[in-house]
Amino acid sequence: AQSVTQLDSHVSVSEGTPVLLRCNYSSSYSPSLFWYVQHPNKGLQLLLKYTSAATLVKGINGFEAEFKKSETSFHLTKPSAHMSDAAEYFCVVTLISNFGNEKLTFGTGTRLTIIP
Amino acid sequence: NAGVTQTPKFQVLKTGQSMTLQCAQDMNHEYMSWYRQDPGMGLRLIHYSVGAGITDQGEVPNGYNVSRSTTEDFPLRLLSAAPSQTSVYFCASSYPGSTDTQYFGPGTRLTVL
Repeated sequence: AQSVTQLDSHVSVSEGTPVLLRCNYSSSYSPSLFWYVQHPNKGLQLLLKYTSAATLVKGINGFEAEFKKSETSFHLTKPSAHMSDAAEYFCVVTLISNFGNEKLTFGTGTRLTIIP
Repeated sequence: NAGVTQTPKFQVLKTGQSMTLQCAQDMNHEYMSWYRQDPGMGLRLIHYSVGAGITDQGEVPNGYNVSRSTTEDFPLRLLSAAPSQTSVYFCASSYPGSTDTQYFGPGTRLTVL
């Protein structure tokens, strides 16, 4: 079965320290992978995406993620957390739809809290 | 460009009532979709469309109806509202494939009493 798993429902880090949000996927083919961010009471915004080009993907606001096929992982990192990074983060993977195109499946989300 | 717009922003319904959540985009995107967001469950796909006249079910389609008569609009209809449909609903759009960046609307918060 194709799926996506976010390993931590809640992560807390101190301002200025590194951030690691973990995501594993299961797919029978090489999917596209995304990270989206949702700030409180807002819609979702794309942080970055992997679509079979470079395995290290750089996104907005200093975030990056590395696609590791052997580990079926796509973890999100940032070297130094900022207060404005407090939000919910979703790992997203594409699955094949009935029409043969790809549709998105969301992980359950990781809430990131930044400690001053 | 207004992007993806959703109306209303908030709605309270009684069990058994019907209503339509509106979604429109002005980016000429072919792919549009509806999600519901519930605590601890991420976003779950309700219905999606790959172009005018073409729709398909997502992960949780029961109790919802969609149609796509134009490229711009993708309304979501609740046929007979139930408390289990209390949720935040997001509409999204993108160019032909979902591997393209999805643009999300601001959401509709629906409460069914």
